[in-house]
Amino acid sequence: QVQLVESGGGVVQPGRSLRLSCAASGFTFSNYGMHWVRQAPGKGLEWVAGLSYDGKNKYYLDSGKGRFTISRDNSKNTLYLQMYSLRADDTAVYYCAKSPFVGVGGTPLDYWGQGTLVTVSS
Amino acid sequence: QSVLTQPPSVTGAPGQRVTISCTGSSSNIGAGYDVHWYQHLPGTAPRLLIYDNNNRPSGVPDRFSGSKSGTSASLAITGLQVEDEADYYCQSYDSSLSREVFGGGTKLTVL
Repeated sequence: QVQLVESGGGVVQPGRSLRLSCAASGFTFSNYGMHWVRQAPGKGLEWVAGLSYDGKNKYYLDSGKGRFTISRDNSKNTLYLQMYSLRADDTAVYYCAKSPFVGVGGTPLDYWGQGTLVTVSS
Repeated sequence: QSVLTQPPSVTGAPGQRVTISCTGSSSNIGAGYDVHWYQHLPGTAPRLLIYDNNNRPSGVPDRFSGSKSGTSASLAITGLQVEDEADYYCQSYDSSLSREVFGGGTKLTVL
């Protein structure tokens, strides 16, 4: 069965960096696009970034452009989100999610992880 | 403000039917992009409920159905059950923003 397990969350000071990981299993990771989605406390879901199966096509939320980098290591079945210059409004549970296709534009997110909490606070 | 607009809450009694609307614009739903729906219980992984406007993944009961018309979409739940109490989100793609967009979410209460 498909499993997505996020890790790397924690408490970080404003302006610092953090790298999230998402370990995938139960499917051929290298054949599918992947996403990061977040949920701030008391708020709804917000799409953060998407990446095609081969890592070549990357898409970001405007507030993440220049601060967030999505990447993948298909040899390790792992998706990453490197976050720089973190701000208080980046505080959220971050979920990784799978696309049912090689790309990520306009696709549903058919499987999700349980999420990892990132708290940006001094 | 979310790009897709959903009612903050809906309420229904067990056995009843409820609908949740999702209103977009000419750059997303109205442009022909598909709408997908998710069920989310706090502290758990969101679950894909409806994809491509009106299709159910395997394992999703046929009590859940979706529709789309013009710049809007709807999720209908019939035969409400207590375990349906959750947050529901619509999602589509926006060509002006060049990214995925979610609705603000609707909290379903089953009284």
